Amino acid sequence: AQSVTQLGSHVSVSEGALVLLRCNYSSSVPPYLFWYVQYPNQGLQLLLKYTTGATLVKGINGFEAEFKKSETSFHLTKPSAHMSDAAEYFCAVSTYSGGYQKVTFGIGTKLQVIP
Amino acid sequence: EPEVTQTPSHQVTQMGQEVILRCVPISNHLYFYWYRQILGQKVEFLVSFYNNEISEKSEIFDDQFSVERPDGSNFTLKIRSTKLEDSAMYFCASSFESGNNEQFFGPGTRLTVL
Repeated sequence: AQSVTQLGSHVSVSEGALVLLRCNYSSSVPPYLFWYVQYPNQGLQLLLKYTTGATLVKGINGFEAEFKKSETSFHLTKPSAHMSDAAEYFCAVSTYSGGYQKVTFGIGTKLQVIP
Repeated sequence: EPEVTQTPSHQVTQMGQEVILRCVPISNHLYFYWYRQILGQKVEFLVSFYNNEISEKSEIFDDQFSVERPDGSNFTLKIRSTKLEDSAMYFCASSFESGNNEQFFGPGTRLTVL
């Protein structure tokens, strides 16, 4: 079984401040990890993903995340928040087992950016 | 850039009615998925589809649900007799391969059951 925990359903930061959105996962097999962003009334857009190799991955819009196996974490960061970053962010874990891919999403974190 | 499209963007229906949600996956993709997101909750897997058959389904995907690829481009989700609790955003996704590959998501269809 696999699961994703996102700490903090709502996070508020000031414009220009560091963004840190937390994600912890559990998986019985090596996972692939994803962060998706959802703007109001829109679908899910991939921000970044970790598959294998370098544990620090960079994505679009200045976001990056670091895979820490020992902590089973994949936290999303951005050095300086912009107003346009206000959206909902979903962490997801994907495993491939028995011939099928299974993707499990976290509950999401709504990011508010305060001017 | 190729993208997954879904129609309609919003569907309102009466309880007990049948609805069909439509998706056009990316053209060279072979694996297709439906997810749903009840308001305020997380995105949940419903079903995956490959080679014209269901490859995996969740416990949510009961006999009221069915999926079909009626032609070479569309992928549909049918709910036979909608219930109030079926109100949710439904996302279609597709991927080129199975394994741990990125799934590309559509913009979603918001289903409201009255």
